[in-house]
Amino acid sequence: DQQVKQNSPSLSVQEGRISILNCDYTNSMFDYFLWYKKYPAEGPTFLISISSIKDKNEDGRFTVFLNKSAKHLSLHIVPSQPGDSAVYFCAALKGGGATNKLIFGTGTLLAVQP
Amino acid sequence: EAGVAQSPRYKIIEKRQSVAFWCNPISGHATLYWYQQILGQGPKLLIQFQNNGVVDDSQLPKDRFSAERLKGVDSTLKIQPAKLEDSAVYLCASSLDGPRGAFFGQGTRLTVV
Repeated sequence: DQQVKQNSPSLSVQEGRISILNCDYTNSMFDYFLWYKKYPAEGPTFLISISSIKDKNEDGRFTVFLNKSAKHLSLHIVPSQPGDSAVYFCAALKGGGATNKLIFGTGTLLAVQP
Repeated sequence: EAGVAQSPRYKIIEKRQSVAFWCNPISGHATLYWYQQILGQGPKLLIQFQNNGVVDDSQLPKDRFSAERLKGVDSTLKIQPAKLEDSAVYLCASSLDGPRGAFFGQGTRLTVV
């Protein structure tokens, strides 16, 4: 049962353009959604998150949009830079307590072409 | 601040052999997680410790996997005997106050041949 889905395994964009990474989920009980970035041979690093009570969160070049009715969120990177090339994981969390667990999507490999 | 340390970085073993991975979390982090990431999939939680007690091990294949957290600090994850399908990256993470604030180590890439 894949509760968090990233249907695009890869995405290629030109430097300076917008990158849009998508994520769908099935469980309406999730309270938080997070995006992680992973370079080869490194662990995932936290990028940005959004609470289920909001529809947008922005941090510099990164913006996450949440559409609860569609159970869909997206990460926008503007402008995209070659250093953004990595695997991006969407993750969802029910509750904020220490005993709750992250459920990850399968990831999208972003390649930003110079 | 030092990050989450894991060793070894890479390990190749034959099926039916045993293997152990080590994790040293960020100092002061009470919660420690072990994740398994199979190629093409997202990380999957295997076990979660709060100090030295197990909070969640529902997805740990207990017939072959075991984990412990020594004195609420370092942790080891063991596989015995290994199967081909155990080939994956094993990620350790730690946090002060829940998974939203988790920091990940670089992982151990295990190849079972």
